[in-house]
Amino acid sequence: DIQLTQSPSFLSASVGDRVTITCRASQGISSYLAWYQQKPGKAPKLLIYAASTLQSGVPSRFSGSGSGTEFTLTISSLQPEDFATYYCQQLNSYPPFGGGTKVEIK
Amino acid sequence: QITLKESGPTLVKPTQTLTLTCTFSGFSLSTSGVGVGWIRQPPGKALEWLALIYWDDDKRYSPSLKSRLTITKDTSKNQVVLTMTNMDPVDTATYYCAHSATLLYDPWGQGTLVTVSS
Repeated sequence: DIQLTQSPSFLSASVGDRVTITCRASQGISSYLAWYQQKPGKAPKLLIYAASTLQSGVPSRFSGSGSGTEFTLTISSLQPEDFATYYCQQLNSYPPFGGGTKVEIK
Repeated sequence: QITLKESGPTLVKPTQTLTLTCTFSGFSLSTSGVGVGWIRQPPGKALEWLALIYWDDDKRYSPSLKSRLTITKDTSKNQVVLTMTNMDPVDTATYYCAHSATLLYDPWGQGTLVTVSS
């Protein structure tokens, strides 16, 4: 099994802040990583796949990077609608999802 | 436009079997590379992947839940059914189905909350 560890699990930030979330894999997964956003009471939404490719319609303030075992999701300037929980997902093995990072308003 | 919707009981008793149906539109489960997956989320907790069925009827299950899960598809009805046996209060969760291509899940259904209680 390949474990995904997200950090931090919780972060408090202000509108306009630059936010970075990290996802670490217990083994190398090349670039087989995706990021999802989940707002309260809603289903997750795919943001990024192949570690750095933005899904169609996702604002350019979101970006992803990394390969192997360390990946980051960056929001360049946090907007009110970005307060949500973010999950990474690896496509190589089980279990696929990380534990999530909740982004809350400071 | 791809849409999916989960349906099934909102309340099940411990030891009962849960049957959930995912009804979808906008794609065909007979198209090469396409799949439908099930993911659940206990209240306030993280996502947990459960199962995935592919267009060719290949099936994948969570190793920790494999003995309790069965996933099937009815291509003519555009439906995927998940059954989970021997339900327990810890199985209380929102259950989502999602369209899958290359193991990415997009989009997802709205989810259905299933409570396990006597």
